[in-house]
Amino acid sequence: SQKIEQNSEALNIQEGKTATLTCNYTNYSPAYLQWYRQDPGRGPVFLLLIRENEKEKRKERLKVTFDTTLKQSLFHITASQPADSATYLCALSSGSARQLTFGSGTQLTVLP
Amino acid sequence: NAGVTQTPKFRILKIGQSMTLQCAQDMNHNYMYWYRQDPGMGLKLIYYSVGAGITDKGEVPNGYNVSRSTTEYFPLRLELAAPSQTSVYFCASAAVNQPQHFGDGTRLSIL
Repeated sequence: SQKIEQNSEALNIQEGKTATLTCNYTNYSPAYLQWYRQDPGRGPVFLLLIRENEKEKRKERLKVTFDTTLKQSLFHITASQPADSATYLCALSSGSARQLTFGSGTQLTVLP
Repeated sequence: NAGVTQTPKFRILKIGQSMTLQCAQDMNHNYMYWYRQDPGMGLKLIYYSVGAGITDKGEVPNGYNVSRSTTEYFPLRLELAAPSQTSVYFCASAAVNQPQHFGDGTRLSIL
């Protein structure tokens, strides 16, 4: 069966450091992979999308890599800030309507 | 521009009652989706639609029904509510091959 795992439920880092979150998947051939941010009591908000033929994508302090051989994506936040504290969700997209299958998320806390 | 609007924000139901969760989007998106999120878990797809008049089941459709008579609205119907349906429900919409936009959810408790 299809499975998506995000490596840790919670991650604490010091302000200014780089946060690295991991997403692994099995039994899946995704069209593309997406990362979302979710704050308490709110819906997920889209951050970055990377296609299966792309290795890396960047947006400001965010970077995503996608290795279809390892079946893994890494999500990096450089120069992290307390405002980056949130739950980050990895999602794989497939199907006619690009339906998303989500991991359970990693709760990131950036300590001042 | 409101994006995706979900109503109500909170609701408590008794076992066996029914209700409709409302979802509206004003971005003229073809695709719409319903997910549920249980505590500490990722979102699971309940139903989705690729356009008015077209709906299809997701991963966890049992106990739910949907309809899509217009592009803007995609209501989710719970028949015979059960405690296992206590969850947070999110509606999302997307243009073709674009990321999804989510509402802020409906928090539903069934007692």
